[in-house]
Amino acid sequence: GQNIDQPTEMTATEGAIVQINCTYQTSGFNGLFWYQQHAGEAPTFLSYNVLDGLEEKGRFSSFLSRSKGYSYLLLKELQMKDSASYLCAVRGGDYKLSFGAGTTVTVRA
Amino acid sequence: IAGITQAPTSQILAAGRRMTLRCTQDMRHNAMYWYRQDLGLGLRLIHYSNTAGTTGKGEVPDGYSVSRANTDDFPLTLASAVPSQTSVYFCASSSGTSSSEQFFGPGTRLTVL
Repeated sequence: GQNIDQPTEMTATEGAIVQINCTYQTSGFNGLFWYQQHAGEAPTFLSYNVLDGLEEKGRFSSFLSRSKGYSYLLLKELQMKDSASYLCAVRGGDYKLSFGAGTTVTVRA
Repeated sequence: IAGITQAPTSQILAAGRRMTLRCTQDMRHNAMYWYRQDLGLGLRLIHYSNTAGTTGKGEVPDGYSVSRANTDDFPLTLASAVPSQTSVYFCASSSGTSSSEQFFGPGTRLTVL
C-alpha cells in the first residue's frame, strides 16, 4: 500500500513564503506530482518531479529526495488567490497515483 | 467541448437506486480514471482504464462498475447506491506516458439518502 503524509493546514501572510512538506512510503516510485485545488473546484496540475532536485516554475518550486521519501512545494510571494488545498500525489510501481489528504493553505492580508 | 466534462454536476439519490455518472474527454487521452474525494481522506481511485476496451480496479472499487467502449467516454455506475457513497466524484484523464499529468473534470457531488 501507499502512505503519503502532509500537514492538514498552514497559514501565511500575503507576500510571504510557505513550504508544504510531503513524505511518502510507496511500493515503487515513478514520479511525484503536486496539484492545487480551490474550494469546490477540480484539482489542477502544478508540478512533477521524478529525479532528485528542485524544479522551479515561476513563484512555485518543488523539491524531491527519493532516498528520503520526501518532497516539498514552495510557494513564494504569496497572493490571496493562492489560498487553496495543495495535494501531493505519488505514482507508484503500478503507475497509479496515490494522493495525500491535502494541505489547506490560507493566505491572510 | 474542451477538456473533460462530467454530468450531472450534483445529484441527490435515494438509497438502493441505480445511478450512472458520465465522463467525456476530447483530448484523445488513452487513460481515464474515477476518484472519490471525501473530507480528510483525499482522492481515492475507484476504477481506471489504460485504453479503450480495458478497465481495472483501484483502491475502493466495491459498489461501482465502469466501462470503456471508446476513447472519449468513461461512465461510472453505482448499481445500488448506499449512503457511504455520498462523496464528490472526479473523472480524470492522461495521455498515459510516464511523465504525463492527469487532467480532472469539474466533479459530481453525489448525496445518497
